[in-house]
Amino acid sequence: DAKTTQPPSMDCAEGRAANLPCNHSTISGNEYVYWYRQIHSQGPQYIIHGLKNNETNEMASLIITEDRKSSTLILPHATLRDTAVYYCIAEGAGNMLTFGGGTRLMVKP
Amino acid sequence: EAQVTQNPRYLITVTGKKLTVTCSQNMNHEYMSWYRQDPGLGLRQIYYSMNVEVTDKGDVPEGYKVSRKEKRNFPLILESPSPNQTSLYFCASSRKLTGQSQETQYFGPGTRLLVL
Repeated sequence: DAKTTQPPSMDCAEGRAANLPCNHSTISGNEYVYWYRQIHSQGPQYIIHGLKNNETNEMASLIITEDRKSSTLILPHATLRDTAVYYCIAEGAGNMLTFGGGTRLMVKP
Repeated sequence: EAQVTQNPRYLITVTGKKLTVTCSQNMNHEYMSWYRQDPGLGLRQIYYSMNVEVTDKGDVPEGYKVSRKEKRNFPLILESPSPNQTSLYFCASSRKLTGQSQETQYFGPGTRLLVL
C-alpha cells in the first residue's frame, strides 16, 4: 500500500473553500485515493474516493493530479462543523484501509 | 437507519477482569473490523473478519480475541485487560471487499475504555 503524506494541521475561514493536500508519490496504478474524516473522537466518516478522474459528491470534490502522485480534497464552503481530522488513504481495490495521522482542519469564524 | 452500534460506550475496569465490547451492524455487511485509536498513533487495526467464522489478525492483535458467529455481530474480547489497552475503540463494517470494487467503511460511535 502506498504511503501518504499530509500536513498535520490547517486553518480555514468559515465560508471559504478548504483545500486539503495529500502526497502519495509511490501510489501504484490500481490504488485508489480515499478521504475520510473524524469529528472529535466520533467514528471516521467516509467522504469521497477516486482512482484517476476528479470526483465530486454532496460533501466535497477530489482533484487528483494527472501523474496521480498527489491529490486535493476541496470542501467548497467550509462550516464550523467541518472542523475535524481528515485522512487521506491510498489503497488497492479489495484491501483494507490503513489510517495515518491525517490533517487537523480548524474552521474559524 | 443503517448503522454500526457498539456497547458499552464508556467502560472503566481493573487489570485482569475479562470484558467484552459488542459490535453490531444492520446493513448485512460481510466485512467487519476493530480498530483502536491512541494519541499520536492514529487508527490501528486489531482484528478483522471477512465473513462468518472467518477472522484474522490486524496490526495490533496481542491481548485481544474476536469471534464472528453471526453476520451482524463482531464482539471484541479482552481476556485479561491491562492498562496499555486503555484506548478508544472503533468497530467498522462494509460490504464484501473484492478486487473489483471499493466499499465504504461505516464506523461505530466508539468505546472509550480505561483499564486501571
